[in-house]
Amino acid sequence: DAKTTQPPSMDCAEGRAANLPCNHSTISGNEYVYWYRQIHSQGPQYIIHGLKNNETNEMASLIITEDRKSSTLILPHATLRDTAVYYCIVSGNSGGSNYKLTFGKGTLLTVNP
Amino acid sequence: SAVISQKPSRDICQRGTSLTIQCQVDSQVTMMFWYRQQPGQSLTLIATANQGSEATYESGFVIDKFPISRPNLTFSTLTVSNMSPEDSSIYLCSVDPIAGGDQYFGAGTRLSVL
Repeated sequence: DAKTTQPPSMDCAEGRAANLPCNHSTISGNEYVYWYRQIHSQGPQYIIHGLKNNETNEMASLIITEDRKSSTLILPHATLRDTAVYYCIVSGNSGGSNYKLTFGKGTLLTVNP
Repeated sequence: SAVISQKPSRDICQRGTSLTIQCQVDSQVTMMFWYRQQPGQSLTLIATANQGSEATYESGFVIDKFPISRPNLTFSTLTVSNMSPEDSSIYLCSVDPIAGGDQYFGAGTRLSVL
């Protein structure tokens, strides 16, 4: 069973920030939050991950709440090429999981001109 | 990061035949994964193929149907055996170069079974 809950779809205007929420209320202490995206007809692309601190890279920012039960992926200036399905995944190296990724249904982000 | 090449990119096969999908990585990696993405669905992990050990299959996937080879640290194959139309999917391989959860995916193999 997926450990995360995401809205099925969101819209965003080009040039504006896209804020994608994710609930992971059952996350355990040694599990990370990962974000991937899948542009149509391509393989998934790693975006960012974090444990409890906020993270930023060249693609996005990840904000994790203090209780770690939810997070938000922020694309600061969305472009049309950011239209994709965004997956929020929790995973960790415990119980022999070896950071296996369990993909849920994700959020289809549509960036509009 | 890692660059992954999959072959073939797509194929159309007849029922009852088998297809072997190749996954080539541009660097040596221990952890490699095979996924299936059925039409309109999300990805489902088939198996973990770490070099030096037998592949570990997820629930619902068996070695007789999806045999995997991992002869070295840069290459793996997945065979879809005795295919039926229900096997029509995209099959993707991925690697985890630093065993830290950030996986890099190939473009996938789009399989149609008639």
